Amino acid sequence: KAGVTQTPRYLIKTRGQQVTLSCSPISGHRSVSWYQQTPGQGLQFLFEYFSETQRNKGNFPGRFSGRQFSNSRSEMNVSTLELGDSALYLCASSFSAEHTEAFFGQGTRLTVV
Amino acid sequence: KNQVEQSPQSLIILEGKNCTLQCNYTVSPFSNLRWYKQDTGRGPVSLTIMTFSENTKSNGRYTATLDADTKQSSLHITASQLSDSASYICVVRYGGSQGNLIFGKGTKLSVKP
Repeated sequence: KAGVTQTPRYLIKTRGQQVTLSCSPISGHRSVSWYQQTPGQGLQFLFEYFSETQRNKGNFPGRFSGRQFSNSRSEMNVSTLELGDSALYLCASSFSAEHTEAFFGQGTRLTVV
Repeated sequence: KNQVEQSPQSLIILEGKNCTLQCNYTVSPFSNLRWYKQDTGRGPVSLTIMTFSENTKSNGRYTATLDADTKQSSLHITASQLSDSASYICVVRYGGSQGNLIFGKGTKLSVKP
């Protein structure tokens, strides 16, 4: 059974640009959530999708957005990139959301220069 | 204010020894608490998930406890191995199925030969 796949693994962008990250969940999983991880802040919750609906959103500016498709694949978009957006972006999938185990992908390392 | 605090921030132990990591939380209403292990450069891997009614849960050499009255959880690692060197992150979900997630900053464990 394939795990959670995130693409690309590494990305370098310049300030002001926008970026789209992709996450393919484990087959059969309908919940996908996104996280930002930085050395200073640790892991922070971005948003969570279930069956194409955003169920929850963390405390991030509107430049961070996401969506989930009918096949449960999810994308995350960051517009007008800032240097502080440099981080490891992790995606996790689970069958539902509340009590089932979440499986993480390897992450996308985004560097903004 | 909803918070999750982990201690210690870092820990060095000798191979074969036991250790206990702590997680204190102040969230309401509590839904569940998860412990994750994150190796450097990789996504977190779930160790245990505990709901309000569960006091203890084991996963091999890892045993998590939860005291919902004092809002404390611990992760006990028995007979540590070099491969246990990683960051251990406590995550608390609150607010039910559409609730939010709060992450602790993690404990960085180093197991030395």
